[in-house]
Amino acid sequence: NAGVMQNPRHLVRRRGQEARLRCSPMKGHSHVYWYRQLPEEGLKFMVYLQKENIIDESGMPKERFSAEFPKEGPSILRIQQVVRGDSAAYFCASSPRASGRTGELFFGEGSRLTVL
Amino acid sequence: EDQVTQSPEALRLQEGESSSLNCSYTVSGLRGLFWYRQDPGKGPEFLFTLYSAGEEKEKERLKATLTKKESFLHITAPKPEDSATYLCAVQQGGSEKLVFGKGTKLTVNP
Repeated sequence: NAGVMQNPRHLVRRRGQEARLRCSPMKGHSHVYWYRQLPEEGLKFMVYLQKENIIDESGMPKERFSAEFPKEGPSILRIQQVVRGDSAAYFCASSPRASGRTGELFFGEGSRLTVL
Repeated sequence: EDQVTQSPEALRLQEGESSSLNCSYTVSGLRGLFWYRQDPGKGPEFLFTLYSAGEEKEKERLKATLTKKESFLHITAPKPEDSATYLCAVQQGGSEKLVFGKGTKLTVNP
């Protein structure tokens, strides 16, 4: 049973370009979460999605960032017009139910974005 | 605002030398407190969930405890393979998001 798959693992972009990060949850999981880890900082919640719905995007910057989890295919985190401050590791996690039941999230290995 | 503070930031132990990691938290209406382990270049791996003060959970050499203000992760007779960053997180009632601390980087020398 494959775990949470994230790609690309490493992405380099120049300022002003777009970054697209993909996340395939574990089989049977319909809840997806995105977290960002800045250097020397803890993991910060960004967004919580279920299939075709954004449930909580309270951690997403208001501009340039968007996320989706379509009926078919992976979840996508999209960052438009990247800036150097967007350089971070972006982690996706999935669960078969809302995390409140046990807090057990299954994390991918992350996508590391570097903005030049 | 929910806050999680972990101490120490880094801890070096000799193999077999037991110790504890601390997680202090402030949250309105705690739904759960969680411990995760993160290896370099990897995503966090779930260890424990604690729901109420006085609760304890154990897994191999690890034991997590919870009070109304803090949680401890006790490591008994650690081995080099226990070296990792240990993350603490809290969840507020009614919210799906976890608020993480910055972690404690544990190094166990053989």
